[in-house]
Amino acid sequence: DAKTTQPTSMDCAEGRAANLPCNHSTISGNEYVYWYRQIHSQGPQYIIHGLKNNETNEMASLIITEDRKSSTLILPHATLRDTAVYYCIVPSYNTDKLIFGTGTRLQVFP
Amino acid sequence: DSGVTQTPKHLITATGQRVTLRCSPRSGDLSVYWYQQSLDQGLQFLIQYYNGEERAKGNILERFSAQQFPDLHSELNLSSLELGDSALYFCASSPRTGRFNYGYTFGSGTRLTVV
Repeated sequence: DAKTTQPTSMDCAEGRAANLPCNHSTISGNEYVYWYRQIHSQGPQYIIHGLKNNETNEMASLIITEDRKSSTLILPHATLRDTAVYYCIVPSYNTDKLIFGTGTRLQVFP
Repeated sequence: DSGVTQTPKHLITATGQRVTLRCSPRSGDLSVYWYQQSLDQGLQFLIQYYNGEERAKGNILERFSAQQFPDLHSELNLSSLELGDSALYFCASSPRTGRFNYGYTFGSGTRLTVV
């Protein structure tokens, strides 16, 4: 899997947008960026994925830079329930498995 | 409820024992993945099965084994248990295998405590 780099932790005020960055400078042209989150000891939850266009769903938006070397996950109006560890993953083209790194611990405060 | 069912939710057992963890994938999903999450090691991929056959292997110990049955449920067998095997064990499922297949659905996990 392409190596990803994420900040260890971030804080965000409730109701504000949470912007979680991820660097993946070694990404190949056909590799997707996936985002998952894990709320304390629960099973990880799929959030969103993208290749090169920006993506949006009911949970979040994903902004991928034009050179694809970095991306940002945006939670538009963070709530306390969004407190979790967020993982940015770039699976290798020829692999069937997701490899989780250490992620970013997002703390949403009132 | 994610649709992936793991049983039991909690398991306490002694060192040297053997346990079996069970996973029922989401309806229609053919791939099952097992992950181990220890306090100090994060989520570690163990093994994947697709439609009954082993597809990918990760950092799975020789004392551990898994299988996927014709009804697609999977079991993870852990034997000669050690204190260090205490962890959360997650199962995930997805519709198929290969590329474009990384939108996994995870279960709520089995917490194993070895005493």
